[in-house]
Amino acid sequence: EAQVTQNPRYLITVTGKKLTVTCSQNMNHEYMSWYRQDPGLGLRQIYYSMNVEVTDKGDVPEGYKVSRKEKRNFPLILESPSPNQTSLYFCASSLSGLAGGWAGELFFGEGSRLTVL
Amino acid sequence: AQRVTQPEKLLSVFKGAPVELKCNYSYSGSPELFWYVQYSRQRLQLLLRHISRESIKGFTADLNKGETSFHLKKPFAQEEDSAMYYCALYHPGNNRKLIWGLGTSLAVNP
Repeated sequence: EAQVTQNPRYLITVTGKKLTVTCSQNMNHEYMSWYRQDPGLGLRQIYYSMNVEVTDKGDVPEGYKVSRKEKRNFPLILESPSPNQTSLYFCASSLSGLAGGWAGELFFGEGSRLTVL
Repeated sequence: AQRVTQPEKLLSVFKGAPVELKCNYSYSGSPELFWYVQYSRQRLQLLLRHISRESIKGFTADLNKGETSFHLKKPFAQEEDSAMYYCALYHPGNNRKLIWGLGTSLAVNP
């Protein structure tokens, strides 16, 4: 089944303990992105990647890192999590990256709910 | 600045009633607009896009450039339409960025 898979789905951690949220897609998509969703603030883009080894900051990149070593994987790294990073995180992918038009369809993972105490 | 506004956080209608979820945008170029939907316990997914001019699950949305709106409509709401709906505007550029509204929660009551 074509999909975007995130892990873990739920995580409670403590301030300062490094964590990684994995994201994998099996659709050979070039474009991948991370969002966070907070009440009253909607979806905000954290980082995105146009293709392997091509990543860039979104609207709220502070406190996050990403890497894109393989086309299918786009992990989100919180080096030193803080309580203000408590949120619902979504990974998404899309077919087009650097070249060609973009159909505008993002495929989303199920979300990862992170709580930082 | 580009912006998408969904003025209603919550919209409650009865089954069989017409429903309209409002979306207004501000954008200086030619917009590409989308509606995404998130049903309970499901992932966010594309519902429809304005360039396709299609009807999905009975929903339609017409781009009105004069009013800078892209309202989502359905003539007869069903209980299974209850979900969170997001309007999004595509901003061309290097990051294939979608600008999101804050969403409208639609509740269709029996």
